[in-house]
Amino acid sequence: QKEVEQNSGPLSVPEGAIASLNCTYSDRGSQSFFWYRQYSGKSPELIMFIYSNGDKEDGRFTAQLNKASQYVSLLIRDSQPSDSATYLCALSDGNQFYFGTGTSLTVIP
Amino acid sequence: SQTIHQWPATLVQPVGSPLSLECTVEGTSNPNLYWYRQAAGRGLQLLFYSVGIGQISSEVPQNLSASRPQDRQFILSSKKLLLSDSGFYLCAWTGLDTQYFGPGTRLTVL
Repeated sequence: QKEVEQNSGPLSVPEGAIASLNCTYSDRGSQSFFWYRQYSGKSPELIMFIYSNGDKEDGRFTAQLNKASQYVSLLIRDSQPSDSATYLCALSDGNQFYFGTGTSLTVIP
Repeated sequence: SQTIHQWPATLVQPVGSPLSLECTVEGTSNPNLYWYRQAAGRGLQLLFYSVGIGQISSEVPQNLSASRPQDRQFILSSKKLLLSDSGFYLCAWTGLDTQYFGPGTRLTVL
């Protein structure tokens, strides 16, 4: 079974700060990693995916992958109140996706 | 572009009643399709996935079943609902190793 662990939070940051969300996984052979954002009452939407060690940037979002330490993180720069949501970390084995339980983020104006 | 539809959006059903939730995908062929359930304040629980017509894999033994009668149609059913079946039901499809979710059905069993 491929486990994905996230701190459930809640994580609170002031507007304009950097929010840092972390995720660890159990299967050392995992290759594909994803971050989803889920607003309350809505379905998850894909923010980013990352396959290679290192950083991947997309606008205010940066995903970081360290396969040796088996963790993935998501940094949100210049956090906005609209970023307040639950963030789900996931990995894929090519057939199934395995999701963490999510970290709740609140950005305080 | 690909679009995934689910209906109904919300549903309130009494215990012991039947259930049928439908999911359809547009703009792609032979997608892998998935049903998840998310209980209030909880993570995503994979219920079923399908790699083709008539091919269903069940992840959690329970009173739910799934069928895939057409390439882009995935149906979740139950003959008798339990209180514990309440939750947010999400259909998803996978393309280019990325999973995309439908809008979901919120089911309340009373």
